[in-house]
Amino acid sequence: SQQGEEDPQALSIQEGENATMNCSYKTSINNLQWYRQNSGRGLVHLILIRSNEREKHSGRLRVTLDTSKKSSSLLITASRAADTASYFCATQRGGANSKLTFGKGITLSVRP
Amino acid sequence: SAVISQKPSRDICQRGTSLTIQCQVDSQVTMMFWYRQQPGQSLTLIATANQGSEATYESGFVIDKFPISRPNLTFSTLTVSNMSPEDSSIYLCSVEQGAPYEQYFGPGTRLTVT
Repeated sequence: SQQGEEDPQALSIQEGENATMNCSYKTSINNLQWYRQNSGRGLVHLILIRSNEREKHSGRLRVTLDTSKKSSSLLITASRAADTASYFCATQRGGANSKLTFGKGITLSVRP
Repeated sequence: SAVISQKPSRDICQRGTSLTIQCQVDSQVTMMFWYRQQPGQSLTLIATANQGSEATYESGFVIDKFPISRPNLTFSTLTVSNMSPEDSSIYLCSVEQGAPYEQYFGPGTRLTVT
């Protein structure tokens, strides 16, 4: 069964606006990872946040993690048309080389 | 991050046949993971392959349907056997490499069964 649930399921914004995507999960985790997928291709790893971290940044990406609420958010600032893709959160419960459990994904459309 | 390649990138197969998908990594890794992504859906883990031992399958997936080989630390294959249209999916392999716990994915194999 899916561990994560993202919301909204679909998001449409104008270029230059910020996009916020949320992910909730059900069990305790070791870390949470966000991925991007363009048009059914392979997944691109965006960022990993560990269970003892609250916030991480990478370029235009900002990820937060609230383990008390079992939720995470991904913020993309100053969005571009090229950010149009599906975004997935995935949780890892175990240690190294343990499996990822994926949420259902969010479809982001950025209008030029 | 790891460089992961998969072959074929896509294929159209007839019902009842089998397809073997290859996954090659540019460096040695302990575990390789195989996922399935059905149309419009998220990713589901099929099995985990450790070199030198039998793959470990997730609930709902069996070795007879999805046999996996892991002959060395850089290569693995997944076979989709006796295919039906319900097997039409993207199949992806992944490895954990680089920063601890970060998993990287291959480009995927898009399979259509007619």
